[in-house]
Amino acid sequence: GQNIDQPTEMTATEGAIVQINCTYQTSGFNGLFWYQQHAGEAPTFLSYNVLDGLEEKGRFSSFLSRSKGYSYLLLKELQMKDSASYLCAPMDSNYQLIWGAGTKLIIKP
Amino acid sequence: DGGITQSPKYLFRKEGQNVTLSCEQNLNHDAMYWYRQDPGQGLRLIYYSQIVNDFQKGDIAEGYSVSREKKESFPLTVTSAQKNPTAFYLCASSGLDGTDTQYFGPGTRLTVL
Repeated sequence: GQNIDQPTEMTATEGAIVQINCTYQTSGFNGLFWYQQHAGEAPTFLSYNVLDGLEEKGRFSSFLSRSKGYSYLLLKELQMKDSASYLCAPMDSNYQLIWGAGTKLIIKP
Repeated sequence: DGGITQSPKYLFRKEGQNVTLSCEQNLNHDAMYWYRQDPGQGLRLIYYSQIVNDFQKGDIAEGYSVSREKKESFPLTVTSAQKNPTAFYLCASSGLDGTDTQYFGPGTRLTVL
């Protein structure tokens, strides 16, 4: 079956760095997306990885290892507005996104 | 200003009533999707459409219906057959390339009383 595993909740301090891990099992693979979702709002796109390695985009970076079925999202210089849920979504062989329940990130001053 | 709109933001209905949720996009995207989100769970695909007048069932289509008469519009009807309709409903759209990013509307929170 298809499965996504992310921590349910993480806490970090403003100004610090946090890494949110995601392991996945899918039927085929066509890349992996990360989205940010603030409480009560819609998900917004953060990153897409299809090849192994690190993609950097400002304060956010995303890493992928296809052989290990593993990705992480790295957030640097944390700000209070980064408090949100982070959704890992690999794409299967049918180009369907498989959604995890997300990791709720709490930022403390 | 391009984007996806959903209306209304909040919707209350009595049990046994059908209700239609609106989704409109002006991004010129070919593909459109409906998801349902429940607390503590990942998004679940209800229906998707890649072209006008065609759509496919997702993982949880029972109790729902859709239409795609125009490229810009993909309304979702929650019928009385849906056993647990209270949820946050999200519409998304993307280009036709399989790996194109899906962009989401603001969502409609449906509560059935």
